[in-house]
Amino acid sequence: EVQLVQSGAEVKKPGESLKISCKGSGYSFSNYWIGWVRQMPGKGLEWMGIIYPADSHTRYSPSFQGQVTISADKSINTAYLQWSSLKASDTAMYYCARPMVRGVIDWFDPWGQGTLVTVSS
Amino acid sequence: QSVLTQPPSVSAAPGQKVTISCSGSSSNIGNNYVSWYQQLPGTAPKLLIYDNNKRPSGIPDRFSGSKSGTSATLGITGLQTGDEADYYCETWDSSLSAVVFGGGTKLTVL
Repeated sequence: EVQLVQSGAEVKKPGESLKISCKGSGYSFSNYWIGWVRQMPGKGLEWMGIIYPADSHTRYSPSFQGQVTISADKSINTAYLQWSSLKASDTAMYYCARPMVRGVIDWFDPWGQGTLVTVSS
Repeated sequence: QSVLTQPPSVSAAPGQKVTISCSGSSSNIGNNYVSWYQQLPGTAPKLLIYDNNKRPSGIPDRFSGSKSGTSATLGITGLQTGDEADYYCETWDSSLSAVVFGGGTKLTVL
């Protein structure tokens, strides 16, 4: 069974750094893209970016380029989403998900369970 | 404002049928495949439909998808209380070079 398991909830202060993770299992992690999606409280889904673990090639949404960093460690089947300086507006649920990429990004399946990030002073 | 427009809410009685629309443009729905997701309360989204009208393994045939021009539609028949959820459409936008989601539709089964 293909599974994505994310790290636990985080509570941080503005200005702090953070790295959350997503571990894949049940498939050849290196050879499939993996991505991140944000859901702010009570709001819809927003695509952030994807990474190909075999060579760490990334594609970012223009809305998130420069705001976050997506990385992966193929030796431990894990993808990461990180912030260097959190803002209160980064408070959200963050999902990892495996995209189907056929030139363009077509669909996401499966999804991780989500990591809640709360940024508050 | 989302690039893809969905009605904020729809409702129907158990056993009935409902449709959820997703309206876009030639830069997104008009020239790319559409997917649909179900997000039950407090859970992660789940893929329901991909490539406009295909169902992943395990998704019942009560769920269907279609696309015409720059609009797509999700249909759900034989409504059950367990279908109460938020539903999102999704596609690629060639002008934005980004994945775009609809704003979501909350389904209430009365």
